[in-house]
Amino acid sequence: DSGVTQTPKHLITATGQRVTLRCSPRSGDLSVYWYQQSLDQGLQFLIHYYNGEERAKGNILERFSAQQFPDLHSELNLSSLELGDSALYFCASSVGSINNEQFFGPGTRLTVL
Amino acid sequence: GIQVEQSPPDLILQEGANSTLRCNFSDSVNNLQWFHQNPWGQLINLFYIPSGTKQNGRLSATTVATERYSLLYISSSQTTDSGVYFCAVLYNFNKFYFGSGTKLNVKP
Repeated sequence: DSGVTQTPKHLITATGQRVTLRCSPRSGDLSVYWYQQSLDQGLQFLIHYYNGEERAKGNILERFSAQQFPDLHSELNLSSLELGDSALYFCASSVGSINNEQFFGPGTRLTVL
Repeated sequence: GIQVEQSPPDLILQEGANSTLRCNFSDSVNNLQWFHQNPWGQLINLFYIPSGTKQNGRLSATTVATERYSLLYISSSQTTDSGVYFCAVLYNFNKFYFGSGTKLNVKP
């Protein structure tokens, strides 16, 4: 157990809908990262937050957004869902702002029907 | 961006055998991690190794940053070692890139 928690574990929804994925970092970690793992694209970095502020963006679609709250948990919002958004979404956390070891949560498996 | 290539893409071993997995990257990186993704999808940290050599039980890793590669050694493999092994790099102190992974199948 890495200490990073993600909810829900599984999510099934329809095209066009909106969902929210939640992540709680390890105790003491200030950074949260979001990743998407799909069969065709592999593991892709989406976005990084440090202590409530956005620090870096990767291949995150405009339909997706994230935020980190004062208690340091983070939410990833996915809207206008398409079939291709079906994937495993991981959250990771680290102590510092960027150059630190990351620890991954168990992931949320999203299925868009 | 940066290219991160892992080899071999697939590997089948008999239990007890040794193996070496390789991760090449096309530019200088700030750090490098190795992960094992088990059959249940969990990503498990193996090594945080920007440079040098580390060992943890039957696993060890070496990163030669100046030559832009890292190696993961698995000795006396066990069926529980099966899964996908990923390397991931931090580039430009900004973004993270994963390799496409090595899928390992250890047979009893």
